[in-house]
Amino acid sequence: AQTVTQSQPEMSVQEAETVTLSCTYDTSESNYYLFWYKQPPSRQMILVIRQEAYKQQNATENRFSVNFQKAAKSFSLKISDSQLGDTAMYFCAFGPPTGNQFYFGTGTSLTVIP
Amino acid sequence: KAGVTQTPRYLIKTRGQQVTLSCSPISGHRSVSWYQQTPGQGLQFLFEYFSETQRNKGNFPGRFSGRQFSNSRSEMNVSTLELGDSALYLCASSLAGSHSGNTIYFGEGSWLTVV
Repeated sequence: AQTVTQSQPEMSVQEAETVTLSCTYDTSESNYYLFWYKQPPSRQMILVIRQEAYKQQNATENRFSVNFQKAAKSFSLKISDSQLGDTAMYFCAFGPPTGNQFYFGTGTSLTVIP
Repeated sequence: KAGVTQTPRYLIKTRGQQVTLSCSPISGHRSVSWYQQTPGQGLQFLFEYFSETQRNKGNFPGRFSGRQFSNSRSEMNVSTLELGDSALYLCASSLAGSHSGNTIYFGEGSWLTVV
């Protein structure tokens, strides 16, 4: 079975600053997918970024980027130029090589301070 | 393109009753999966349907069931409701198919309160 661990229950960052959210996972699979989802107070889960494990290059999406360390099974999310709208719960998720049975971490609550 | 639509958004049920939640996936998406979100257990996978067949099932009792229709719409049913079933139920859809690694897109969820 797969496990996903987010060791930072809460974090805060000043507006316009940079913050990094941590995620580690455990799996015996060699090919898989990793995701970060954002859940604002509306509770709508929104995809932030996706990483394919077979790709060495770290994924980026505008202000969001990841640091994927496959050997260390680490997948951190960096948010640059933080904005008030980034305030949300962030979930790290493991997607298997087949099917859509995802495994989620417990989440990190991020607050952007004006 | 419309997103994933879940109905009803909010509902209150009494212990022992049953409930049916509905999910319409993004147009063209053939896989629908369901997740339960609670403060204590976080996000837990319930089941996934693809082409009207259950493809995966999480570790939930048999009171939780689901189905998928030919138009890819899905329903989940919880019978003999317990207080612990109070949760946000999230539906997600993806293109799926024979290849792997599809991104799942979530609906806004159905808030179930059992009293």
